[in-house]
Amino acid sequence: AQTVTQSQPEMSVQEAETVTLSCTYDTSESDYYLFWYKQPPSRQMILVIRQEAYKQQNATENRFSVNFQKAAKSFSLKISDSQLGDAAMYFCAYSFTGNQFYFGTGTSLTVIP
Amino acid sequence: SAVISQKPSRDICQRGTSLTIQCQVDSQVTMMFWYRQQPGQSLTLIATANQGSEATYESGFVIDKFPISRPNLTFSTLTVSNMSPEDSSIYLCSVKMSSGNTIYFGEGSWLTVV
Repeated sequence: AQTVTQSQPEMSVQEAETVTLSCTYDTSESDYYLFWYKQPPSRQMILVIRQEAYKQQNATENRFSVNFQKAAKSFSLKISDSQLGDAAMYFCAYSFTGNQFYFGTGTSLTVIP
Repeated sequence: SAVISQKPSRDICQRGTSLTIQCQVDSQVTMMFWYRQQPGQSLTLIATANQGSEATYESGFVIDKFPISRPNLTFSTLTVSNMSPEDSSIYLCSVKMSSGNTIYFGEGSWLTVV
């Protein structure tokens, strides 16, 4: 069964510093997709970054990057130069078919001014 | 991505009543889904809304409680029937475009049942 685990319920970071959010997943598939979504207090889920498992290169989107370790089934999110607007709940997600998505329990990120 | 509009954004409902949530997308999409997010919890897939046919429900969710319609490629509704306080949640519409394997979300509908 596919499961997604986020072991950090809460994290905090000083503004302008770097923070890493952890995510591990369990799957028997070799080709799949991984995502990080952000949910600010407005509640809307916003796609932050995605990674295809067949790509060895780690995805980056501006200040956001991932460390994808396929053998370890690990998919961490690094936020550089943290900003106050980064404060949100972050969800890691896995999809094999592109239809069924499995979400972690989330990490609440606080950015300290 | 697409612009996904949900309404209502928030509502307080009486126990035993039903409420219909609408999801409108500004372009045709391949797939539409409905998720539930209970307070402090992660997202759980309720069902896949199929255009012109009955929705496909996940384990634990039934059509009588959560009837879903999708009359065309840009619009879907989710009804939460005979509500109880346990139905207090955020309900999220999500879509998948014809290309790619990413889903995008609406703003969510926050229902409180009293």
